[in-house]
This record gives sequence, structure tokens and C-alpha cells, in this order.
Amino acid sequence: QSVLTQPPSVSGAPGQRVTISCTGSSSNIGAGYDVHWYQQLPGTAPKLLIYGYSTRPSGVPDRFSGSKSGTSASLAITGLQAEDEADYYCQSYDNTLSAPYVFGTGTKVTVL
Amino acid sequence: EVQLVESGGGVVRPGGSLRLSCAASGFIFEDYAMTWVRQAPGKGLEWVSGLNWNGGGAVYADSVKGRFTISRDNAKNSLFLQMNSLRPEDTASYYCARGDGGNYYPFDYWGQGTLVTVSS
Repeated sequence: QSVLTQPPSVSGAPGQRVTISCTGSSSNIGAGYDVHWYQQLPGTAPKLLIYGYSTRPSGVPDRFSGSKSGTSASLAITGLQAEDEADYYCQSYDNTLSAPYVFGTGTKVTVL
Repeated sequence: EVQLVESGGGVVRPGGSLRLSCAASGFIFEDYAMTWVRQAPGKGLEWVSGLNWNGGGAVYADSVKGRFTISRDNAKNSLFLQMNSLRPEDTASYYCARGDGGNYYPFDYWGQGTLVTVSS
């Protein structure tokens, strides 16, 4: 069981806005460690989507945005498109674990 | 163009060994920490092991500690994962990724993965 909890699934119609939460604790997100987000399209390797809570790498559409509040982080997708249907994972560092780099439980985004 | 290409996966019996390789190109390999991440069929991502730019600071997930060894050869731009005493629960696609996942160094590039199947 991961220390970063995400909803198993979220869904929305094309054009809508969806958000994915990543709930942590005072030993990871709440301690100020960066949160990164990855997108995994079906049958492909993960791809970096957001790093440092809210920075998009070159080439990532500005429909994707990230934020942090307290011990949680969120990924928002505005103007949802069919090509956004994928699994999304948050990732951070936890200072209580011997293996400190942790992924969230993952969220499947379905475009209705 | 940054490229990471894994190889070495396959089918192995429980208790067996495999050595995974990751060939890097398109960047100065010795400047970056590198990481192995795995994904069991139909499951989420699991961080496995990471290594500093100079081959030091190896860290392992509890699930593989004592059985897996990460290493690198900066002269050959390569990352390795020696997997011993394999178990059925090690069955997964194994990805190498650039970075360590910490502040400022996300996993910004990933390989395509290599599948390891542990089965009798």
C-alpha cells in the first residue's frame, strides 16, 4: 500500500475539467518534497507530465496543471480530450521510508 | 534526442537470475542519477532501485533488497539490474528512468520497458 493515495478512477465528458488528488502526509508532501505527475497511455511507458508540483515540461499542453495544498497535491485537466484517457500517477519522496521514492496508487481517467 | 533502451528480460524459473541492461544515449549519462521502476501486469508503478551519478548511494525497495543489485558503467552509458532469487511476484515490466525522483530531478525520460516473467 502506497503512502500516496489517489482515487482509482475519474471520468468526464470531452471539454470538461477533471481533477486527480494525491493525498500524502507530513513526511512526504507536507514536508515540502516535490510532487511529480506521470501519464501512462495504454500499452506505453510512463511520461513525465508535471514536475515540482506545477511545472510542465516542454511539449505538455497547458490543459494540464498541478497544485499543492498542505499534505495533498492535485492534477487538473481542463478541456478534457479523448487522447487524455490514460493512467496518471503522482510521485514524491518520503523521509520515513528506507526506500523513499514513492508512487501514488494511480488513477484511471476515462473520457466519456 | 534522449533515449533509454532496456534489454535482458525474459522467462525465468523461480529462484533463477536475470541481468537487465539499459543503454542510454542523447545526454551526458554520468551527470544523472538513474532509477529502475517496475509494473506488474495490470498494477501500478513500483520504484525498485536507484543509483547516484557516480555509482554510489544505491537504494532498494524492501521487496528486492538483498536479491537485486543496481550498477552502472558510465564509460558505456549503461545501467544494470542484477536480479537473483527471482520470485513469481517479481513478474513485471521493468523500466529504466533518468533521475532519482527527488526535488529537481523527476523521472524525466523512460525506456520502453523489458518484461520479466518468473514462472515454473
